[in-house]
Amino acid sequence: DAMVIQNPRYQVTQFGKPVTLSCSQTLNHNVMYWYQQKSSQAPKLLFHYYDKDFNNEADTPDNFQSRRPNTSFCFLDIRSPGLGDAAMYLCATSSSGRAHEQYFGPGTRLTVT
Amino acid sequence: QKEVEQNSGPLSVPEGAIASLNCTYSDRGSQSFFWYRQYSGKSPELIMFIYSNGDKEDGRFTAQLNKASQYVSLLIRDSQPSDSATYLCAVSGDYKLSFGAGTTVTVRA
Repeated sequence: DAMVIQNPRYQVTQFGKPVTLSCSQTLNHNVMYWYQQKSSQAPKLLFHYYDKDFNNEADTPDNFQSRRPNTSFCFLDIRSPGLGDAAMYLCATSSSGRAHEQYFGPGTRLTVT
Repeated sequence: QKEVEQNSGPLSVPEGAIASLNCTYSDRGSQSFFWYRQYSGKSPELIMFIYSNGDKEDGRFTAQLNKASQYVSLLIRDSQPSDSATYLCAVSGDYKLSFGAGTTVTVRA
């Protein structure tokens, strides 16, 4: 089945220790998104790729970076995680033909100790 | 940033009843409207989308859109315990979605 896959599902990192979260998709969608969601809050868009074009949200901290080496894969790098970065990180994809319909991966739960 | 407002709930309904969820949005240029269901600890799942004024039905779900009032709603008929979840309203005018914080629904058996 076509899907969005995120690894790992659970990640524990230490304060200040860089961490990378990964997302892959078999939907062949050209748009990929990263969201941060904290408990009882709306998902917050960090950035998205339209094909290879990177689009950063104005309020996304510099501590968050992303890479998209090919259509199928996208990575979220947190350079120096703080306690406030503990959250669920959601990857989503959409097709430019139906760009408003986004499909989410299962998420990665990040804990910072 | 588009603002999307939802009643946080919790909304408690008996099994078999209709659950009614409401959402308002601030950007009149918004074109597409979505309802996502999110179970606790899981990721959002797209359950309905609507682009035009009026009603759209899919099984037990009906989405209603009124662009003049900047209002979108979701009705869940014959509510089941498996419908217990948080329902996120999302609004789009481009490639980005703006989400509400969600309404938590609990269906009592």
